[in-house]
Amino acid sequence: AQTVTQSQPEMSVQEAETVTLSCTYDTSENNYYLFWYKQPPSRQMILVIRQEAYKQQNATENRFSVNFQKAAKSFSLKISDSQLGDTAMYFCAFATNAGGTSYGKLTFGQGTILTVHP
Amino acid sequence: EAGVVQSPRYKIIEKKQPVAFWCNPISGHNTLYWYLQNLGQGPELLIRYENEEAVDDSQLPKDRFSAERLKGVDSTLKIQPAELGDSAVYLCASSLDAVASGYNEQFFGPGTRLTVL
Repeated sequence: AQTVTQSQPEMSVQEAETVTLSCTYDTSENNYYLFWYKQPPSRQMILVIRQEAYKQQNATENRFSVNFQKAAKSFSLKISDSQLGDTAMYFCAFATNAGGTSYGKLTFGQGTILTVHP
Repeated sequence: EAGVVQSPRYKIIEKKQPVAFWCNPISGHNTLYWYLQNLGQGPELLIRYENEEAVDDSQLPKDRFSAERLKGVDSTLKIQPAELGDSAVYLCASSLDAVASGYNEQFFGPGTRLTVL
């Protein structure tokens, strides 16, 4: 079974600064996907960025980028030029690409509450 | 394009009462998911449907929880009877065919917050 661990319950950052959220995972599979989701107080879960395990290049989406270390099973999210609207709960998630009944199932970490201060 | 719709947004009931949640996925999405999210935790999958078929219900507590997706579109999740520990947010998500090559993004609804008194 896969597990996802986020060791930072809460983080804070000043507006326009950079912050990094940590995530580690455990799996015996070689082919999988990793995600960062954002959940603001409205509860709508929004996909921020995704990474395919077979790709060595780190994914980037505007101000959001990841540092994917496959051997270390680490997947951190860097938010540059933080904005007030980035305030939310951030979840790291894993999905297998191995097929079977678990295909498509997202396994989430415990979440990190990020607060951006003006 | 309309997103995943869930209703109600909030529900307060007394323990031992039944409750039902409704989800309408994004048009054309064959795969539908129900997740349970306890306060301060990440969502956990309860059940996954591909069209009308429940292909993964291993985490659904079948003694009190049931779900259906009769026509392969809308879905209903029911709890009967509800217990205090069922207080949580119930999220619905949908995606294109999960068995297709590659991974299809899951789009989440706003969830239903259940409070059991």
